[in-house]
Amino acid sequence: DTGVSQDPRHKITKRGQNVTFRCDPISEHNRLYWYRQTLGQGPEFLTYFQNEAQLEKSRLLSDRFSAERPKGSFSTLEIQRTEQGDSAMYLCASSAGTGTTNEKLFFGSGTQLSVL
Amino acid sequence: AQKITQTQPGMFVQEKEAVTLDCTYDTSDPSYGLFWYKQPSSGEMIFLIYQGSYDQQNATEGRYSLNFQKARKSANLVISASQLGDSAMYFCAMSKTNAGGTSYGKLTFGQGTILTVHP
Repeated sequence: DTGVSQDPRHKITKRGQNVTFRCDPISEHNRLYWYRQTLGQGPEFLTYFQNEAQLEKSRLLSDRFSAERPKGSFSTLEIQRTEQGDSAMYLCASSAGTGTTNEKLFFGSGTQLSVL
Repeated sequence: AQKITQTQPGMFVQEKEAVTLDCTYDTSDPSYGLFWYKQPSSGEMIFLIYQGSYDQQNATEGRYSLNFQKARKSANLVISASQLGDSAMYFCAMSKTNAGGTSYGKLTFGQGTILTVHP
């Protein structure tokens, strides 16, 4: 399978704990994105990387959130001191970085986070 | 700021019939792209179709076509010959160029429409 893969698929944690999610993009894609989707809503942009550089972060990404993409391959999203409001589906996507408006994103199946 | 509006929370269609899912958008950017994605219960977002703001013709991809009316700022998705496997959530989304005139995958999504196909 050469699509975008995310791990884990589901994560249940207690409030205050730290969690980390992993995303493996399509191998030849240089851009990687994180989106968050809450129930009944469309995905919201969180951050994106071009190769290993994090080029934009949404205001939705509080100081408790940090994302990395070492060596421009896989990426991790860490949430520290989780809160119940962090419960959501976290989607990762990658693209080939055309620099045009038709840049197509390929999404993974997401990590569903539940904070108790 | 960009905004995508999908006014139909849910739609029902009989198998083999056509269905139109509505999408209107708001942007001041002269160059933008419009996408439709399908999200089945598995959670993965699946790309369906793309329309560029300067494209003269409406986009088509197999059973999917995009009815693009620029003056009305609408980008409706038409699914012909509906199949049971089309039952899913459908999202309209928009990309834009940044100040440098290039774009990247920062998409603005609507709230989605749940499509149910009846046998």
